[in-house]
Amino acid sequence: EAGVTQSPTHLIKTRGQQATLRCSPISGHTSVYWYQQALGLGLQFLLWYDEGEERNRGNFPPRFSGRQFPNYSSELNVNALELEDSALYLCASNNGLDLADTQYFGPGTRLTVL
Amino acid sequence: GQSLEQPSEVTAVEGAIVQINCTYQTSGFYGLSWYQQHDGGAPTFLSYNALDGLEETGRFSSFLSRSDSYGYLLLQELQMKDSASYFCAVESSSYKLIFGSGTRLLVRP
Repeated sequence: EAGVTQSPTHLIKTRGQQATLRCSPISGHTSVYWYQQALGLGLQFLLWYDEGEERNRGNFPPRFSGRQFPNYSSELNVNALELEDSALYLCASNNGLDLADTQYFGPGTRLTVL
Repeated sequence: GQSLEQPSEVTAVEGAIVQINCTYQTSGFYGLSWYQQHDGGAPTFLSYNALDGLEETGRFSSFLSRSDSYGYLLLQELQMKDSASYFCAVESSSYKLIFGSGTRLLVRP
């Protein structure tokens, strides 16, 4: 069974540009979570999608947005990039609304903003 | 607000036992999870405690005390491959999984 996949692996952008990150969950999983992990730091919760709907979001500005497609894959968009947006962006998936279920993480997309 | 505290770094020798503590403050607590992350890798799930007590999975055990807002991860028979960062994460009523800042474990020969 394929795990969570993310693309691209690395992304280099300049300040003010927009970045689009993609995530495909494990087959059968309906929930997708996005996290930001700055270098050497913990995971900061960004967004949670389930069944195509945004269920919750973390304390991030509106320029961080996303969506979930009918096939449950997801996209994270970051507009007006700032230097401090440089981080590893991790996507995770699991079933349903019960957060007690294990979250399975993808390998991440490393975003560098110059 | 919500917050988790865990030590930033722990060092232990191969074969030893190490305990990584986590204290938390959150509203509507549902459970405490532990994740392992090797450098350059993705976090992987280790354990989940919703009720007080000890959960054992092989060399790893996790403990929770809801009344003390405290938990720990116990790693026994340490191996070099256990060198990684370990994150505790709280599941709250706001349906967010809030992660601690992580504990870097270094296992020495």
